[in-house]
Amino acid sequence: SQKIEQNSEALNIQEGKTATLTCNYTNYSPAYLQWYRQDPGRGPVFLLLIRENEKEKRKERLKVTFDTTLKQSLFHITASQPADSATYLCAHGGYNKLIFGAGTRLAVHP
Amino acid sequence: KAGVTQTPRYLIKTRGQQVTLSCSPISGHRSVSWYQQTPGQGLQFLFEYFSETQRNKGNFPGRFSGRQFSNSRSEMNVSTLELGDSALYLCATTRAGTASTDTQYFGPGTRLTVL
Repeated sequence: SQKIEQNSEALNIQEGKTATLTCNYTNYSPAYLQWYRQDPGRGPVFLLLIRENEKEKRKERLKVTFDTTLKQSLFHITASQPADSATYLCAHGGYNKLIFGAGTRLAVHP
Repeated sequence: KAGVTQTPRYLIKTRGQQVTLSCSPISGHRSVSWYQQTPGQGLQFLFEYFSETQRNKGNFPGRFSGRQFSNSRSEMNVSTLELGDSALYLCATTRAGTASTDTQYFGPGTRLTVL
């Protein structure tokens, strides 16, 4: 069955460093992947979408890559700030039926 | 532009009871999807409604049901509540729902606790 996996439960980094989160998929080839941010007790907020024919996409301090050979998407936050601390989810789906990874908790320490 | 609203925000019920949750989409959004989020299973798709019709359904028992009204507002119902139904229930809406890459906008969720 289609499976989408994120690299770890928690990632701790120092303020100012680049955070890199991983999303791997197996048993299928998604045409795109989406990344969301979720704060405790709140709904996910859409960040970026990357299509299979796009190698990289950027939005301010965020960068997403999509490697169809490795079946992997990487999500980078450069110059990280404590306010970036949250859970980041990758997702795929069609017709509003998203399949989410378990999410990676990011903690940025001052 | 007002965001997605969900009511109530918090709910406490006992086993065997039933519950109804409500979701009001962003103005102009006609597709409403529902998700269940638990620490163990993460975010899981329940069902999706568009133009008052259920278009997609996840792998949940028949105790979970939903509907959509002509104004696109949606409700979901859980009957015969079980302890395992304790979760954050999220709805997400999109404009037309015909493009698989439509951005979904999530509401704040309803936190359901079953005692």
